[in-house]
Amino acid sequence: GENVEQHPSTLSVQEGDSAVIKCTYSDSASNYFPWYKQELGKRPQLIIDIRSNVGEKKDQRIAVTLNKTAKHFSLHITETQPEDSAVYFCAPGTNTGFQKLVFGTGTRLLVSP
Amino acid sequence: DVKVTQSSRYLVKRTGEKVFLECVQDMDHENMFWYRQDPGLGLRLIYFSYDVKMKEKGDIPEGYSVSREKKERFSLILESASTNQTSMYLCASSLSGLANYEQYFGPGTRLTVT
Repeated sequence: GENVEQHPSTLSVQEGDSAVIKCTYSDSASNYFPWYKQELGKRPQLIIDIRSNVGEKKDQRIAVTLNKTAKHFSLHITETQPEDSAVYFCAPGTNTGFQKLVFGTGTRLLVSP
Repeated sequence: DVKVTQSSRYLVKRTGEKVFLECVQDMDHENMFWYRQDPGLGLRLIYFSYDVKMKEKGDIPEGYSVSREKKERFSLILESASTNQTSMYLCASSLSGLANYEQYFGPGTRLTVT
């Protein structure tokens, strides 16, 4: 099955800095690459995603880049703000008749004012 | 807005009890999922269902069963609760179709088995 790893597991930055979280996966059939954000005590929510025919996607301060050859994709957050503090999960997806996501173990991002 | 609700936010049960966790979604989604979330382990898939009365095992199905009698409702059953099933349980739903992967989550049920 799919093996998903996220690094780092914890990331502390100062407000205004950039943050990068990397996700590696093993299944070459993966074709969907999302990032979910889970604030403390809240449910996970999709913040950005990319499909296998695109290398990069940007939405305001967040971006996702994909390297299918190397089997990894990354979340980039620029000009971080305290409200970016949360746990972030990557969840590469494969369509094997059903659209399944395999979640990484999460990265706790702490943005200090 | 998609709304996914779970029957309880907090639940305390005793070892050996049968436990039912219920999830309801109101957006006519075909796919429904049950995950458990533990610190350092992320979200692990227990079971999922792609249609009424259909179910598929996820990565950690042992000790659990599920029921989907109606499209909007997906139940997780712990036949005989054990302390190692103490966890946060998250339900999610999504549309079927090649382009539809986004999963919408419920608020979670924190289950404690004593």
